[in-house]
Amino acid sequence: SQQGEEDPQALSIQEGENATMNCSYKTSINNLQWYRQNSGRGLVHLILIRSNEREKHSGRLRVTLDTSKKSSSLLITASRAADTASYFCATDRRGKLIFGQGTELSVKP
Amino acid sequence: EPEVTQTPSHQVTQMGQEVILRCVPISNHLYFYWYRQILGQKVEFLVSFYNNEISEKSEIFDDQFSVERPDGSNFTLKIRSTKLEDSAMYFCASRRDSTDTQYFGPGTRLTVL
Repeated sequence: SQQGEEDPQALSIQEGENATMNCSYKTSINNLQWYRQNSGRGLVHLILIRSNEREKHSGRLRVTLDTSKKSSSLLITASRAADTASYFCATDRRGKLIFGQGTELSVKP
Repeated sequence: EPEVTQTPSHQVTQMGQEVILRCVPISNHLYFYWYRQILGQKVEFLVSFYNNEISEKSEIFDDQFSVERPDGSNFTLKIRSTKLEDSAMYFCASRRDSTDTQYFGPGTRLTVL
């Protein structure tokens, strides 16, 4: 079945460093979306990358998509303590989002 | 900026009771969804809704669950007879078209005692 899997499961870095999170999936997709979730809170949409796109930028975020490898990466540059959260990739196939387990990012000041 | 809203933010109920979770999607959106997240686990798809009918539902969405769009603005999830394992955060989401971003509400935390 289609599934997004992120790695690492947890990542701890210092403020100012870059954070890279990876996501793999198993079946064909229409697009892939990255979301952020602060502890116990809602899901905030970060970026959507379509299956015919390879790279997308939004502020300090850079997302890549490799459909041949069925993988995506999210890079957060110059991280801040406020970036501390869980990050999820979600693959979109015919409207239904399939989420991975997420990466817990901790950015230490 | 328009956003998806959900009420209540927290609902506590006794096992076997009926609950209705409410959502107001973004006004010009046509596709609506419910997801749930059991504590410490990943977000799971429950159901999608378009043109006043269910488009797709997961195995979790059994006969105890139903959805409704009673008027032009609300989208509800009803659980007829709650079980302990229904305790979770329930998220509503909406999107404008079938390939667009899904925007999520803040969630309703359901606790079944």
